[in-house]
Amino acid sequence: EVQLQESGPGLVKPSQSLSLTCSVTGYSITSNYWGWIRKFPGNKMEWIGHISYSGSTSYNPSLKSRISITRDTSKNQFFLQLNSVTTEDTATYYCAREGWFAYWGQGTLVTVSS
Amino acid sequence: DVVMTQTPVSLPVSLGGQASISCRSSQSLVHSNGNTYLHWYLQKPGQSPQLLIYRVSNRFSGVPDRFSGSGSGTDFTLKISRVEPEDLGDYYCLQSTHFPWTFGGGTKLELK
Repeated sequence: EVQLQESGPGLVKPSQSLSLTCSVTGYSITSNYWGWIRKFPGNKMEWIGHISYSGSTSYNPSLKSRISITRDTSKNQFFLQLNSVTTEDTATYYCAREGWFAYWGQGTLVTVSS
Repeated sequence: DVVMTQTPVSLPVSLGGQASISCRSSQSLVHSNGNTYLHWYLQKPGQSPQLLIYRVSNRFSGVPDRFSGSGSGTDFTLKISRVEPEDLGDYYCLQSTHFPWTFGGGTKLELK
């Protein structure tokens, strides 16, 4: 069974970087596409970007200048880094296996506040 | 970006009744390969989204046949018949035909 779990700090200060890890079990990240999605307070959902089975990436243009998605295949993990955060980046962050987004992590709330 | 307009925002229903949610896209969701990448999710409080329907009308494994999806081009519908208590929550459509993938604004299915 495919399982994903996000981890990382729940509180980040404005202007700093947000870093999250998605640990995957039951499926190799060298297959398929692996994405990050966030849900804002008020329920709007936004696709952030993904990393492919080969390590190539695609990002939402609205965030492209601030984000980086990388991976460690030896640990079957992929990562999100979002730079220069503001309070507008406060959201619940999810990782998921793309295709149909059939498998999601449980989500992690990240609050940007001083 | 493709704008996904989802209606209604709130949908009061009675248990055992029927619900219908609409998702309209600002451009056709037919991919150059002929497939249409429009999917439906339910998010219950405190949980992550769960896939109900993929590529317009295909029920995901374990999803009851009370859920059905239909539509084409820019106009899509999720129907829930015989609503049960476990169906309550927030419903979202997602298009993954055009980059960047975009979600509808959500529909809260709640008891009347």
